[in-house]
Amino acid sequence: SQKIEQNSEALNIQEGKTATLTCNYTNYSPAYLQWYRQDPGRGPVFLLLIRENEKEKRKERLKVTFDTTLKQSLFHITASQPADSATYLCALVLGSGNTGKLIFGQGTTLQVKP
Amino acid sequence: SAVISQKPSRDICQRGTSLTIQCQVDSQVTMMFWYRQQPGQSLTLIATANQGSEATYESGFVIDKFPISRPNLTFSTLTVSNLSPEDSSIYLCSVLSGRIYEQYFGPGTRLTVT
Repeated sequence: SQKIEQNSEALNIQEGKTATLTCNYTNYSPAYLQWYRQDPGRGPVFLLLIRENEKEKRKERLKVTFDTTLKQSLFHITASQPADSATYLCALVLGSGNTGKLIFGQGTTLQVKP
Repeated sequence: SAVISQKPSRDICQRGTSLTIQCQVDSQVTMMFWYRQQPGQSLTLIATANQGSEATYESGFVIDKFPISRPNLTFSTLTVSNLSPEDSSIYLCSVLSGRIYEQYFGPGTRLTVT
């Protein structure tokens, strides 16, 4: 069966440390993988997109890796801050052409303690 | 970027009634999407709504239960019909940005069915 799995347990880290979140998928062949941030009571906010032929993408303190052999993406936040506390969702973009269809993981909640 | 508003932000409805959720975008967009996010769960795509054509529903979602209107390029409605407690969820609309595959989400409508 097709699955997208993110750690369901919350990730608690100390301010200043690097947070690493994992997204694993099975029986999908995504063309792209995206990461979103969701705060309580709000809709998801787009953070980063990585293509299947890219190994790594960076944006400020964020870094995403994409291993299509392992079927895994890692999302890193360096020098984490309490303001980074939120739920982070990975999403797969399937198929060719911009149909916009996204398949989301269930999200991992990150708590950064001062 | 696109700014999306939804109405209502939350509602409590009785079993057997219907709720219509409005989604307004501040710019013209071709593709709009409706998602459901059940408590503690991921976002699940209900349907894609393109202006001028019938909405395309995902597996497990039917038009009789979730009728959608898309009268113009800035507005859409989702109706959740014949409500049951299982319909208690957050419903979100999103639009596809000009940048490939990036989606913007509304703040969501929290529906509680009693």
